[in-house]
Order: sequence, then structure tokens, then C-alpha cells
Amino acid sequence: QVQLVQSGAEVKKPGASVKVSCKASGYTFTSYGISWVRQAPGQGLEWMGWISAYNGNTNYAQKLQGRVTMTTDTSTSTAYMELRSLRSDDTAVYYCAITYYYGSGSDYWGQGTLVTVSS
Amino acid sequence: QSVLTQPPSVSGAPGQRVTISCTGSSSNIGAGYDVHWYQQLPGTAPKLLIYGNSNRPSGVPDRFSGSKSGTSASLAITGLQAEDEADYYCQSYDSSLSGQGVFGGGTKLTVL
Repeated sequence: QVQLVQSGAEVKKPGASVKVSCKASGYTFTSYGISWVRQAPGQGLEWMGWISAYNGNTNYAQKLQGRVTMTTDTSTSTAYMELRSLRSDDTAVYYCAITYYYGSGSDYWGQGTLVTVSS
Repeated sequence: QSVLTQPPSVSGAPGQRVTISCTGSSSNIGAGYDVHWYQQLPGTAPKLLIYGNSNRPSGVPDRFSGSKSGTSASLAITGLQAEDEADYYCQSYDSSLSGQGVFGGGTKLTVL
């Protein structure tokens, strides 16, 4: 069955970087894209960006441009999201989700990774 | 503020019909981008409820339906059940933001 398994919770200090992984299984990884979405405590969903697992093309949220990088490793069917220069308002649960093509909905989601930014 | 506007909360009694609106603009919903809807139960990842404005993934009951008109979209839930109590989010894409994805602020559905 299709599954996305994310890496475990992280605690980071302000100014540090975090890299969250998302390992896919149950489908041909390079056939679809991966979106990243985050949710601050008690808040709504925020779209972070999308990466094509086929050719690595990306589209990032404007507010995160310059701080976020999304990559894939097709040899291990794993997607990565790195966020740099962390601030306290980056504290959130980070989700990866299969997004078949840019503009489509996201059908399968990872379990989420809590990233806490605190001094 | 979110690019897509949803009511913060709606409520209904079991068996009733409720609708949740999602209001956008000419650069997102009105530009022809599809609208997708998600249901999020407390402490869980979002679940795709409606994709492409009005399509249901397999396994989603036909009590859930979506529509789109102009710069707005709606999610309708008929035959309300206690387990429908959750947060609901609409999502689309926006050409004024370099085509990035955008979510509504979310709507909390309470089943009375």
C-alpha cells in the first residue's frame, strides 16, 4: 500500500537548520510529486512548496524563498525538506504529501514531523 | 489573512446539511485553478475529501460533495454524522503568487 513515513521530531535553536525526510513506498516514486505543508500549533495549514520526483522541478512559497530547499533521492524513494535560519514561528508540524501533478490535490500524507524551534 | 476565505465555524444537527464556503479571487479560483478540500481530525494528518472541484477519492462517502462557481467554491455535507466533526480546508493555487499553493484558513465543523 502507498505509504509516506517521515523522520522523527526535532528540537532546534533559532538560526539553525532542519532537514525532514519523507520515505515513500507502494508506488513508483518518480511518477508523482511531493508537496510539503506545515501547521503551527493551533493554526491552519500552510503550503510550503512542491517538488517533482520525476525531474526535480520545484515551486516554493514566496515567503520561504531563500530559506527552504526541497530535494529527492530517487535511489531510496525519499524526499527531503530543509529549512534554514530557523525562527520561533517555524515551530510546526511538517507534512509531506503525494501530489500527482502541480495543481492537483494531495492524496496520501505522511504522519507529520514536529519541529520545535526554541532557545 | 489567508488568500482563500472560509468561515471560522459552522454547525449542524445530526442528519442535517451544512455547507462551507471558500471565497477566492480572479488570481486563484477565478483564474481556473482547481479547488481541493481536506478534512482534518484532531491530531491527525489532513485527508483529501474532494479533488478537482467536485471529485471524490475512492472511499469518501457521497454525503460529501464539492462545487465551484466564479471565484468561489463550496463543500456540502449531507446527512451530518458525529464523526464529521473536524476542521475542513480548501486549497487552490494562485497566479499572483507565482502559482504557489494556497489554503483557506479552515472551518471548524461542530455536530450539535
